[in-house]
Amino acid sequence: NAGVTQTPKFRVLKTGQSMTLLCAQDMNHEYMYWYRQDPGMGLRLIHYSVGEGTTAKGEVPDGYNVSRLKKQNFLLGLESAAPSQTSVYFCASSYRTGLNTFGSGTRLTVV
Amino acid sequence: GEDVEQSLFLSVREGDSSVINCTYTDSSSTYLYWYKQEPGAGLQLLTYIFSNMDMKQDQRLTVLLNKKDKHLSLRIADTQTGDSAIYFCAERTGTASKLTFGTGTRLQVTL
Repeated sequence: NAGVTQTPKFRVLKTGQSMTLLCAQDMNHEYMYWYRQDPGMGLRLIHYSVGEGTTAKGEVPDGYNVSRLKKQNFLLGLESAAPSQTSVYFCASSYRTGLNTFGSGTRLTVV
Repeated sequence: GEDVEQSLFLSVREGDSSVINCTYTDSSSTYLYWYKQEPGAGLQLLTYIFSNMDMKQDQRLTVLLNKKDKHLSLRIADTQTGDSAIYFCAERTGTASKLTFGTGTRLQVTL
């Protein structure tokens, strides 16, 4: 029973490079979310999805894209990484109750 | 708008009670949550309370909600060193079970 799995756990990118973060959940949750966590700012919602094939913008969507081609997967893409995107990224999933289950995070550094 | 505020730091002695406070601004919040984050880990749901409740108790945890003042608190009885972590409150508002998080309170438990 893995819950929410994020890959990779760590990554260092150069400015301008692209990458995709993968989130997979095995709980048949409808909703999935991507957050970023920065010191002193809590978690901020980047994008979210309420079901397969649907995505929506959160609080801080600029510079990111997402896709939800399968119900169990939610991908977060950075097309051209910037130092301001250095952060810890968390994926979460939930039923409609809002009881989010979080992954263990991806620590991304953009140099 | 949605805004959730917490104090940044709390230090307590082992065996004492800890009280972590949170204020929120959105009166339409339906659920409010407390999450715990240990170093290098994701967020773990501790407890939650529905907006029509005043109090919820779960073993050593007591959640108090003052809806009039938009104030939420988490009391941890008999605080242990294993309780040292960052505690986030979050409110659920609107659709898609989106959560707005506070900045987190770092709880330090001393011997």
